[in-house]
Order: sequence, then structure tokens, then C-alpha cells
Amino acid sequence: AQSVTQLDSHVSVSEGTPVLLRCNYSSSYSPSLFWYVQHPNKGLQLLLKYTSAATLVKGINGFEAEFKKSETSFHLTKPSAHMSDAAEYFCVVSALDNAGNMLTFGGGTRLMVKP
Amino acid sequence: NAGVMQNPRHLVRRRGQEARLRCSPMKGHSHVYWYRQLPEEGLKFMVYLQKENIIDESGMPKERFSAEFPKEGPSILRIQQVVRGDSAAYFCASSSGEYTGELFFGEGSRLTVL
Repeated sequence: AQSVTQLDSHVSVSEGTPVLLRCNYSSSYSPSLFWYVQHPNKGLQLLLKYTSAATLVKGINGFEAEFKKSETSFHLTKPSAHMSDAAEYFCVVSALDNAGNMLTFGGGTRLMVKP
Repeated sequence: NAGVMQNPRHLVRRRGQEARLRCSPMKGHSHVYWYRQLPEEGLKFMVYLQKENIIDESGMPKERFSAEFPKEGPSILRIQQVVRGDSAAYFCASSSGEYTGELFFGEGSRLTVL
């Protein structure tokens, strides 16, 4: 069994300040981890993924995430927020023993960026 | 370079009617997944299909919901006798089947049940 917990349902930052979106996971097997972004009334877009290579993963739009096995965390960060980053972010886990690409989603974190 | 196409984007039904949501996967993809997103919640897995086969339907409600992915044409998620609780966004995703963990999502079909 696997699960994902996004610790904050809402995060508000000012433009130009750092972003931190927190994610903890549990998995019986070596997981693959992902962050997806969803803009209003849009589908989900993959930001980045961890699949047992480098623990620090760089994604699109300046986002990155670090896989910390000891803390079972995969927090998403960005040094400087842009207004266009305002969206819903989902942390996702997929265990290697799953049949097919079945993903377990966290509840989402809504990021608000103030001018 | 079409991505995953879903239609309709918005659908309004009265209680007791049927809803049919369609999904055309990305070109070259033969694996389709359906997810449901209730208001203010994350996505919940419903069903995973390959051409003409249901691989995993563990997330599908036992009654009123069905899905298919025929040899020709789009995948269809069908909801019979809709109730207000079925109001949600339904997302389709596709993959090539190779294990990359990456799914490509459509923009969703938003069902409103009056």
C-alpha cells in the first residue's frame, strides 16, 4: 500500500520569494515520485519526477525537489515565485510493483502568489 | 502534435440521465487511465485500460459506472442514472505502456448533475 500526504492545503507567497510545498509519502516498495501542476480548468502537467537516480531532481519552470528516504519526503521548491506559478500542485507516488502506471495522488496544495 | 483529447469539456445532466465521457489518447499510446477529481480534492484513480481490456478497475464504483477502450475509437467512461454526487471533473490520461511513471493528462470533462 502507498499513500501521499501534502502537509499544506494552501500556501501563499509574495512574488520573488521562495516557494516550499511539502510532501510526505509512504510506500512498501521503492517508489517513484512526481510533482504535477494543474492550472485552473486545465489538465495536469508533469513538473518533475524521481525514479531512483539522483535524489535532487530538477524540473520545468525552475522547480526542483529532493528525495529524502530517511524522512520519506519529497518537498517541492523554487527560489523565486512568479505570478504564473499560481496553481494547484499534486505530489504523486507510484510503486514499482504496481501493474501499469497507477499513481496515488496527494490532496493537493493550492499556491497563491501575491504581487 | 495532439495531446490527450477529452470531450465534452463540460456536461450538464439531470439526475437519472446518462453521462458519456470520451477520451482519445496521445498518438502512439495504448494505455488509458481515468481519474475523478471531486471539488477541493486530489485525483482518485478509477480504471486502467488497454485496447479491448480492462486491466484494473479497483477504483470504479460497483454500480452505474463502466469504461471501455475499443479496438477502434476513443475510450468511453459511462455513468448511468447520474446522481448529484457524480458531479466532478473526470480526467483521462494516457501512456505508451513503458514504465516511465509519466502519464499525459487531458484537460478534463466537468460533469454537473442538476
